[in-house]
Amino acid sequence: AQSVSQHNHHVILSEAASLELGCNYSYGGTVNLFWYVQYPGQHLQLLLKYFSGDPLVKGIKGFEAEFIKSKFSFNLRKPSVQWSDTAEYFCAVNPYSSASKIIFGSGTRLSIRP
Amino acid sequence: GAGVSQSPSNKVTEKGKDVELRCDPISGHTALYWYRQSLGQGLEFLIYFQGNSAPDKSGLPSDRFSAERTGGSVSTLTIQRTQQEDSAVYLCASSLGGQGGEKLFFGSGTQLSVL
Repeated sequence: AQSVSQHNHHVILSEAASLELGCNYSYGGTVNLFWYVQYPGQHLQLLLKYFSGDPLVKGIKGFEAEFIKSKFSFNLRKPSVQWSDTAEYFCAVNPYSSASKIIFGSGTRLSIRP
Repeated sequence: GAGVSQSPSNKVTEKGKDVELRCDPISGHTALYWYRQSLGQGLEFLIYFQGNSAPDKSGLPSDRFSAERTGGSVSTLTIQRTQQEDSAVYLCASSLGGQGGEKLFFGSGTQLSVL
């Protein structure tokens, strides 16, 4: 079955530290890839997405993610985190073969120490 | 409306009762999704509506769960004979055309607690 794995359930960093959140998916075909973020008390919102082309995609608030097809990975990065990045981050995969199936990972809670 | 609206925001019910959760998508969005988020779990896909097509119900966990979408707009998720394991946040999302890879706009969810 198709699945998305986010191995880090809770990450705690100090401000200005670098961030990398892992995301791996299991699907052999072509996919669209997403990172969504949920700030405390707010709705889930799109952070960035990959459809095709340059495997390094940039999103809002200085986030970027790199699609590595051979590793079935789409890790999220930010060179220097801020306290306001405290949130829950969800990786999601949409197989090309199924417009309806957007499969989410279990999420990674990011806590930033001021 | 300005965003996806869900009601109620919180629902406490007794085991065995039926509940109805409502979702009002963004006007003009033809695709509508229901997800369930349990504590410590990811978003579990439940059901997807796209225009007038038959819904994708493959994520519904049991026949106690059903959903409908009237007039291509408002959707209602019904859970019959609720169980304690149904306790979760139920999220609704909509997107413009239901094409693969579209951005989803989420509502704030309904927190369901089954006692």
